[in-house]
Amino acid sequence: GAVVSQHPSWVICKSGTSVKIECRSLDFQATTMFWYRQFPKQSLMLMATSNEGSKATYEQGVEKDKFLINHASLTLSTLTVTSAHPEDSSFYICSARDGGGRNEKLFFGSGTQLSVL
Amino acid sequence: QKEVEQDPGPLSVPEGAIVSLNCTYSNSAFQYFMWYRQYSRKGPELLMYTYSSGNKEDGRFTAQVDKSSKYISLFIRDSQPSDSATYLCAMDTNAGKSTFGDGTTLTVKP
Repeated sequence: GAVVSQHPSWVICKSGTSVKIECRSLDFQATTMFWYRQFPKQSLMLMATSNEGSKATYEQGVEKDKFLINHASLTLSTLTVTSAHPEDSSFYICSARDGGGRNEKLFFGSGTQLSVL
Repeated sequence: QKEVEQDPGPLSVPEGAIVSLNCTYSNSAFQYFMWYRQYSRKGPELLMYTYSSGNKEDGRFTAQVDKSSKYISLFIRDSQPSDSATYLCAMDTNAGKSTFGDGTTLTVKP
């Protein structure tokens, strides 16, 4: 299957700093990528849909100024957690569809564990 | 009420057992049905992807979709300790946004 690379896999930062997470589709072009947050023993919570060359679409309740998403190319989307606080500590995962269709298969990155001290 | 309800588990079975994982849904617009396996602190891995009602088999895994009952299942035959993970069902409408179940944690004991 298609490969989605996400890094870093683990990051620890001080409260008030910003953290950038990268998501790359390695062997396909991804017009759309998705960003999720996952708490322990819970399912994936969709945060936003990242569209190449345009603004991201955020889910209700997700602060767009807090979670900045950039999708500058067909193979790269970034999520920046700005002015991180301990409550932002979580597991963040990206995904991308292999193919231009809306219902092509979804492939996930390996996730990033963010710990804010 | 959630659109997708997944049997919560956890499930613990002996090696070699047949495992049945189940989800129900309420949105009749769901057209695509997936099962993902997620190991601890890793991203989900796509196991099965189906479009219509019926069965789809891939090795030891069989996905079953019953649209009339709004019920999907994943069967694992000859379960192995390496199958120990959390399994997520997911469903898509034509809009392309997936809705996930909460996951079932499976432990296969040697």
